[in-house]
Amino acid sequence: EDKVVQSPLSLVVHEGDTVTLNCSYEVTNFRSLLWYKQEKKAPTFLFMLTSSGIEKKSGRLSSILDKKELFSILNITATQTGDSAVYLCAVFGNTGKLIFGQGTTLQVKP
Amino acid sequence: DTGVSQDPRHKITKRGQNVTFRCDPISEHNRLYWYRQTLGQGPEFLTYFQNEAQLEKSRLLSDRFSAERPKGSFSTLEIQRTEQGDSAMYLCASSRDFSNTEAFFGQGTRLTVV
Repeated sequence: EDKVVQSPLSLVVHEGDTVTLNCSYEVTNFRSLLWYKQEKKAPTFLFMLTSSGIEKKSGRLSSILDKKELFSILNITATQTGDSAVYLCAVFGNTGKLIFGQGTTLQVKP
Repeated sequence: DTGVSQDPRHKITKRGQNVTFRCDPISEHNRLYWYRQTLGQGPEFLTYFQNEAQLEKSRLLSDRFSAERPKGSFSTLEIQRTEQGDSAMYLCASSRDFSNTEAFFGQGTRLTVV
């Protein structure tokens, strides 16, 4: 059965720290991997990754995919309190449904 | 705003009552997904549509749950004979298709069964 596993489940850092969030997956006929940020409401889209080794970047956030090892990482540099949220990883497989991991809860302390 | 829209935003119901939620996807999106999310968990897949066709329904989904997308535009999710365990956030998302495309979420409907 398709599954997505994120680690760590929770993380507490201080402002200015750099964090790395992990996402591994087992999906039949992988199509794409998506990262979302969720702050007490619906998830908001961050990145979509389809090709190995190509980094996607948006400000202090970046992400990369390794299709051989079946994982992705999301990096956040110079963290701010506004980065506190749940970060969700999701994968599209051949069935066409989007499967989510359980999320990583990030707390950034001042 | 032409994003995904869900209605209502909040619903409180008594156990045993039926409830229906509505989702209006982004207009050019032909895929529509329903998820359920409880505190501390990632969104749990319920069902999804390609236009008006329901392509898959979670095996974990009770027969009390049904979803429709009659004209391939908006969708409804109905829960019959609600139970306290149905209390959750119900999320709808839409996408153009599932190949190399983003999926965008609505604000969700928070259901509380008392």
